[in-house]
Amino acid sequence: ETGVTQTPRHLVMGMTNKKSLKCEQHLGHNAMYWYKQSAKKPLELMFVYNFKEQTENNSVPSRFSPECPNSSHLFLHLHTLQPEDSALYLCASSQGYQDEAFFGQGTRLTVV
Amino acid sequence: AQSVTQPDIHITVSEGASLELRCNYSYGATPYLFWYVQSPGQGLQLLLKYFSGDTLVQGIKGFEAEFKRSQSSFNLRKPSVHWSDAAEYFCAVGVYGGSQGNLIFGKGTKLSVKP
Repeated sequence: ETGVTQTPRHLVMGMTNKKSLKCEQHLGHNAMYWYKQSAKKPLELMFVYNFKEQTENNSVPSRFSPECPNSSHLFLHLHTLQPEDSALYLCASSQGYQDEAFFGQGTRLTVV
Repeated sequence: AQSVTQPDIHITVSEGASLELRCNYSYGATPYLFWYVQSPGQGLQLLLKYFSGDTLVQGIKGFEAEFKRSQSSFNLRKPSVHWSDAAEYFCAVGVYGGSQGNLIFGKGTKLSVKP
């Protein structure tokens, strides 16, 4: 248990569906991150939030929409995804921008 | 551009044997370097990190890594591998002043352990 909880652990969705991934951290951290882990590709940073403000958006398509209502929660809203978006989506948090990042177990997303 | 290369996609070692996983990086300034481990179906766990100082870094689970600036390398070592070490290992470089969440990862090395 790392203190970063992601739900659901597995998700299968059609290309026309709308779904959301949830990340919750109980560590009192101020920075939260979304990463995408695809087969045979390096982990890719998607979004960074620091004190609820988005500080990084690494050219992520608009069909991925993050939301950070408070420092403990981070969402990734998904709509009209493509099969190539199937991947493991990892959430991480850190106390501050310069502190160790703790990762959740990820959500395995399959787009059909 | 910053990048991380892990030349070995898959390594198999016998239990009790020594291990070295290679990592090379490309970064224009002093790098902040990390090794993470990922067991099947799990998230990433930090093994160790290098920010500055002693170039030989000790981590958890008996792992260590050595930073060699001249070779742009940060190889991970363990003197005696246990079956529970079977997992995927990721090297990463921190950018933007060392943010530990804003990382560039290598593609990973999958470690298998033979009995």
